Amino acid sequence: GENVEQHPSTLSVQEGDSAVIKCTYSDSASNYFPWYKQELGKRPQLIIDIRSNVGEKKDQRIAVTLNKTAKHFSLHITETQPEDSAVYFCAAGRLNFGNEKLTFGTGTRLTIIP
Amino acid sequence: GAGVSQTPSNKVTEKGKYVELRCDPISGHTALYWYRQSLGQGPEFLIYFQGTGAADDSGLPNDRFFAVRPEGSVSTLKIQRTERGDSAVYLCASSLGQGKATEAFFGQGTRLTVV
Repeated sequence: GENVEQHPSTLSVQEGDSAVIKCTYSDSASNYFPWYKQELGKRPQLIIDIRSNVGEKKDQRIAVTLNKTAKHFSLHITETQPEDSAVYFCAAGRLNFGNEKLTFGTGTRLTIIP
Repeated sequence: GAGVSQTPSNKVTEKGKYVELRCDPISGHTALYWYRQSLGQGPEFLIYFQGTGAADDSGLPNDRFFAVRPEGSVSTLKIQRTERGDSAVYLCASSLGQGKATEAFFGQGTRLTVV
C-alpha cells in the first residue's frame, strides 16, 4: 500500500517569512496530492491540491510542487501570517480508480511567530 | 446539508461497551469514508463506501469494527467490546465519487474516549 512521509514535524517561522513542508510517497500509481490544514479541535480543511499531470500549482500565498520522478511534493507558504498557525497534513491518493481513499502524512505543526 | 455532520461530537464509554458513531454526508455525495485520527497523527483510513456497499474495508483494524450505509446516505460506524486503544477522533468524509475526482470534505469528527 501507499506510505507517505512528512517533514518536518514542527516548524516555527517569523511572521512574513516563508514556510516549506515536504512529503514523499511510495506508490507510483498515486496521482492526487491534497494538503489539509487542521486547527486545534477542528476538521481538516483542504487548502490546495495537485494532480500528477502538473508540476506546480499556486493559489495566492500557497503553492504546491510535485516531482513525480522522485515521488515527492512540497507545500510552500509565503508571507506567513499568524492565522497560518495550524497542523498541516499532506496526503496521496488515486483518482479515477473508484476508490479515492487518502493516505496521510503524520502532520507538521506550523507556528508563526509575530 | 451544508457540510458533513457527525454525531455525537464526544463520546465517553466504558471498556467493553458497544458504541455507534453516525455520519451524515453532504447531500448528493455517493462516496463516504471513515478515518481514525489518534493524537499527533494524521487521519488513518478505515473504510470506504460507494453508495450502499463497502467497496474497501481494508483499514478496519479487526472484526470489532463494522460500518453500514443502508440507504446510501447516512453511515454508522459500530465498535463492539471497546478497548482503551480505540480512543481517538473518528472522522467521516464524503465526496461526489463515481470517478468525478473531487475534493473530500471532512466532518468535525467524534472524539471517542474509552475509560
